[in-house]
Amino acid sequence: GAVVSQHPSWVICKSGTSVKIECRSLDFQATTMFWYRQFPKQSLMLMATSNEGSKATYEQGVEKDKFLINHASLTLSTLTVTSAHPEDSSFYICSVPGLASAEQYFGPGTRLTVT
Amino acid sequence: GENVEQHPSTLSVQEGDSAVIKCTYSDSASNYFPWYKQELGKRPQLIIDIRSNVGEKKDQRIAVTLNKTAKHFSLHITETQPEDSAVYFCAADNTDKLIFGTGTRLQVFP
Repeated sequence: GAVVSQHPSWVICKSGTSVKIECRSLDFQATTMFWYRQFPKQSLMLMATSNEGSKATYEQGVEKDKFLINHASLTLSTLTVTSAHPEDSSFYICSVPGLASAEQYFGPGTRLTVT
Repeated sequence: GENVEQHPSTLSVQEGDSAVIKCTYSDSASNYFPWYKQELGKRPQLIIDIRSNVGEKKDQRIAVTLNKTAKHFSLHITETQPEDSAVYFCAADNTDKLIFGTGTRLQVFP
């Protein structure tokens, strides 16, 4: 399967600041990447689909101006949480499609804590 | 859109026993049904998947069955071991996106 990395693995920031999370596909090019959010003891919720060279597609209820996604190359997508608040504290995970239809491989996740 | 329900939410078994987790989905157009294992603080790991042209798939102690007519699929783990303890998620595809079930916390007691 695809090898996916994320950076940072964890981050603590103050309320009102912005945080950028990187997702890299290490072994093949990805025109699409997915961003998920997972609150403690809950399931993975898809936030948005990142599209290389074009705008991201956001799921219903996800504020596109708050969660900025940039997919500038075939191996890198970034998620910026702007004006973070404590309720944004969560585990953010990206995924990269595999070679087979609908298959996805996940990054190691980034734990964000907003104080 | 697709909706995936998963049961039970928690499951405790004795080492060596079998564990079964069940999921139902709503969209008959879904064709891909993966199962992920997630340990605390780690990424979800794909453990097995099945596509709609197959009714059953097995990989050592893990098997998945699919009933397209009833729109449900199940994960079967035989001869459970303590290292099988984790949260398991089922998912169904929806136009190349994945919709996840709510998860099952499996505890295997030695």
